Amino acid sequence: DSGVTQTPKHLITATGQRVTLRCSPRSGDLSVYWYQQSLDQGLQFLIHYYNGEERAKGNILERFSAQQFPDLHSELNLSSLELGDSALYFCASSGTNVYGYTFGSGTRLTVV
Amino acid sequence: AQTVTQSQPEMSVQEAETVTLSCTYDTSESDYYLFWYKQPPSRQMILVIRQEAYKQQNATENRFSVNFQKAAKSFSLKISDSQLGDAAMYFCAYRSEYGNKLVFGAGTILRVKS
Repeated sequence: DSGVTQTPKHLITATGQRVTLRCSPRSGDLSVYWYQQSLDQGLQFLIHYYNGEERAKGNILERFSAQQFPDLHSELNLSSLELGDSALYFCASSGTNVYGYTFGSGTRLTVV
Repeated sequence: AQTVTQSQPEMSVQEAETVTLSCTYDTSESDYYLFWYKQPPSRQMILVIRQEAYKQQNATENRFSVNFQKAAKSFSLKISDSQLGDAAMYFCAYRSEYGNKLVFGAGTILRVKS
């Protein structure tokens, strides 16, 4: 157990639907990052939150949004889902050190 | 923008032998951090080793070591005494001193033969 908790582990949904992925960071970590891992694009940075504030955005679609709550957990909302959104979505957290991130086990999203 | 290139899509190694995975990166920064992550079939991302760019000494973690060549912007991973449990996808990653996101390479699949 890495200390970063992601739920659900698997999600199957239809095109056009909306889903919410949840992430609880490791205790004490203020930063949460979201990454998308698809077969043809590797690991792509989506967004970074630090203590409730958005700090950086990557290649995140307008149909996707995220937030970090006062208890530091984060949610990634994906709407108007398309087949191409099928991927493994990772959450990671970090503290004040720069020794890399701690990743959660990911949410496997399948859009049918 | 920084980029990370892993030129070997797949590598194979015999159990107990040594293998080296290649990684090059492009950056105009002088201070940064480099990482190798392992992703086994469970899909969990596991930090293997890290290197601070300001350190000349190559990082080592048990059977894992790196060859960091800052001028050449090269950061290879050497796995000694390979074990079946080393079979995984390996990602090289870059992190700026002033930013927090990790930039990943495309990954190298490592197969270990018994």
